[in-house]
Amino acid sequence: AQSVTQPDIHITVSEGASLELRCNYSYGATPYLFWYVQSPGQGLQLLLKYFSGDTLVQGIKGFEAEFKRSQSSFNLRKPSVHWSDAAEYFCAVGARRDDKIIFGKGTRLHILP
Amino acid sequence: NAGVMQNPRHLVRRRGQEARLRCSPMKGHSHVYWYRQLPEEGLKFMVYLQKENIIDESGMPKERFSAEFPKEGPSILRIQQVVRGDSAAYFCASSPAELAGGYEQYFGPGTRLTVT
Repeated sequence: AQSVTQPDIHITVSEGASLELRCNYSYGATPYLFWYVQSPGQGLQLLLKYFSGDTLVQGIKGFEAEFKRSQSSFNLRKPSVHWSDAAEYFCAVGARRDDKIIFGKGTRLHILP
Repeated sequence: NAGVMQNPRHLVRRRGQEARLRCSPMKGHSHVYWYRQLPEEGLKFMVYLQKENIIDESGMPKERFSAEFPKEGPSILRIQQVVRGDSAAYFCASSPAELAGGYEQYFGPGTRLTVT
C-alpha cells in the first residue's frame, strides 16, 4: 500500500538559515509527488510537484525538491528561510493508476528570529 | 477566477444532529475530492467524485457519511447523527481532470466541524 513518512514532526531553524524537510514514500510504481504548505486555519497551497522529467523541481516561494528514486525520497529544500515560512508542510504521493493522494502527517516549521 | 469555496467555515453541531458541508469547485473543474484532517494528523482521503458519480469512496466511513456532486450546484458531504469523533477539519479540493494526467488539486479553506 502507498504510504508517506515525514520523520520530523517539528523543525526549528533560524531566519536566514537553510532548510531541508524530509519525505520518504512507499509505492510500487513511479509515483507523482507533491509538497503543500498550510498556514494556521487555512487550506493547503501547492508548493511544487513532480510528475516526470527533471528530478530537481522548482516551486514557489524559493522552494525546491529533489526526487531520488533509489532512496524513495522527495526532500524539500530552501536555501534561506524567512519568518513567513513558518507553517506546516505536507508531503503527498499519488498513484498513476488512480486519483487518490496520500498525505504524510506533516512537519511543523518554526522560525527563530 | 474564484478559488475553491467551502461553507460554512465553522460548524457546531450537537451529538446526534446532521452536518452538511458544501464545496463549490473552481470554475471549469469537474473533479472533487474530500479529505478529513484530525489534529496532529495529515489529510486523510475520504471520497472522489465527478459530476453525478462517485468514483472512489474507499476512505469514507461505512455508516453515517455520504457525499454527492450533482449536475448543478455544489458538492455536499453529509454526516448523519454526528459523534464527538467527527470533530475535525474537512477540506475539499478540485481539479480540472484526472490527476494522473498531470493536473493538480486546488484546496478550499476547509470547514471546521465541532461536535458538542
